[in-house]
Amino acid sequence: QITLRESGPTQIKPTETLTVTCTFSGFSLTTNGVGVGWIRQPPGKALEWLGHIYWDDDKRYSPSLENRLTITKDTAKNQVVLTMTNVDPADTATYFCAHRQTGRPFDSWGQGILVTVST
Amino acid sequence: DIVMTQSPDSLAVSLGERATIKCTSSRSILSTSNNKNYLAWYQQKPGQSPKLLIYWASTRESGVPDRFSGSGSGTDFTLTISSLQAEDVAVYYCHQHYGTPRTFGQGTKVEVK
Repeated sequence: QITLRESGPTQIKPTETLTVTCTFSGFSLTTNGVGVGWIRQPPGKALEWLGHIYWDDDKRYSPSLENRLTITKDTAKNQVVLTMTNVDPADTATYFCAHRQTGRPFDSWGQGILVTVST
Repeated sequence: DIVMTQSPDSLAVSLGERATIKCTSSRSILSTSNNKNYLAWYQQKPGQSPKLLIYWASTRESGVPDRFSGSGSGTDFTLTISSLQAEDVAVYYCHQHYGTPRTFGQGTKVEVK
């Protein structure tokens, strides 16, 4: 059974750097074809893909956020980390991590973590 | 970017009746190499994370009731709930995983009439 869980701060100030960790079980990020993605959802709004990382360390980012995002993995800890620099109130959202395999969409999602950017 | 547009934004359907949601992509998401449409449908209930219902436009995810079905190809897709149940009240999103950036539709809210 695949499970993912996001952890990190629930409140952060503008201009600070946000770090959210996804801890997973039930799969390995060393397995060919496996990836973990990040998706966010502002309150009451639609889903927005941020990026994902693959088993071979290939990474893809949303072009609109690419200069602010970094996704890394720690295969020994079964974790993927999302870092977003210079946050703004517009970055207030629930941040989800999700599992995928090559050719398939995100099939298992974490519960999400609501991050509020405010002074 | 591939823009995904859903219609309607919301709909109210009587219990036991059919619900139909449409999704249009701004360009084809059909892979000519394997003839698969890289289109997925998700269900999101309040306070929950999205749940995968359908992938490759028409393949039902394991455990998803057969009242949910997907159809379409190229740029035009449909999610059908054949007989709406109370537990189907949710927001439904289409999602293309063909190109980068991955994109989602704006969502369709389904309620009971």
